[in-house]
Amino acid sequence: NAGVMQNPRHLVRRRGQEARLRCSPMKGHSHVYWYRQLPEEGLKFMVYLQKENIIDESGMPKERFSAEFPKEGPSILRIQQVVRGDSAAYFCASSPPSLGSNTEAFFGQGTRLTVV
Amino acid sequence: AQSVSQHNHHVILSEAASLELGCNYSYGGTVNLFWYVQYPGQHLQLLLKYFSGDPLVKGIKGFEAEFIKSKFSFNLRKPSVQWSDTAEYFCAVNPINFGNEKLTFGTGTRLTIIP
Repeated sequence: NAGVMQNPRHLVRRRGQEARLRCSPMKGHSHVYWYRQLPEEGLKFMVYLQKENIIDESGMPKERFSAEFPKEGPSILRIQQVVRGDSAAYFCASSPPSLGSNTEAFFGQGTRLTVV
Repeated sequence: AQSVSQHNHHVILSEAASLELGCNYSYGGTVNLFWYVQYPGQHLQLLLKYFSGDPLVKGIKGFEAEFIKSKFSFNLRKPSVQWSDTAEYFCAVNPINFGNEKLTFGTGTRLTIIP
């Protein structure tokens, strides 16, 4: 059973370009969470998705950021018109249908985005 | 909304010293509690978790944590640290609130062990 797979591991973009980060959850997991880790800071929640639904996007910046988790395929975190301040590590986690019922979230290895 | 506080931002210890990292959360309802570790350049790994039952939970690598409900705390402890424990440690909480169960993290504590 493969773990949470994120790709690419490293992504370099010029200012103004788009960044697409992919996350394939563990088999059987239908919940996906995206977190951002800025240099010297902790993890900040961005968005929580279930298949085809956004449950909580309270941590997403209002502009340029979007996320989806389609019925088929990986979850995508999309950042349009990237700026230097978007440089960070983006972590995806997945969990089975109900995190509340004594399960845990498993993390991917993250995507390190560098905006030059 | 829930929040998590880790007051120690950077802790430096010598090998064999005892460790306690503080974690306090704010949420009025029932919660699950977690400690994750992030070794340099790696992803987060679960150290231990509390769901219910005995408030003293034991995790991997000799770590343990105690849930004190009255203090809203879930401090991480280890009696004798090793150089390999150098890492960043994150406390996290998720409310038992079916339908929105996001994990909220503290800002982390960087632990440096001096050989």
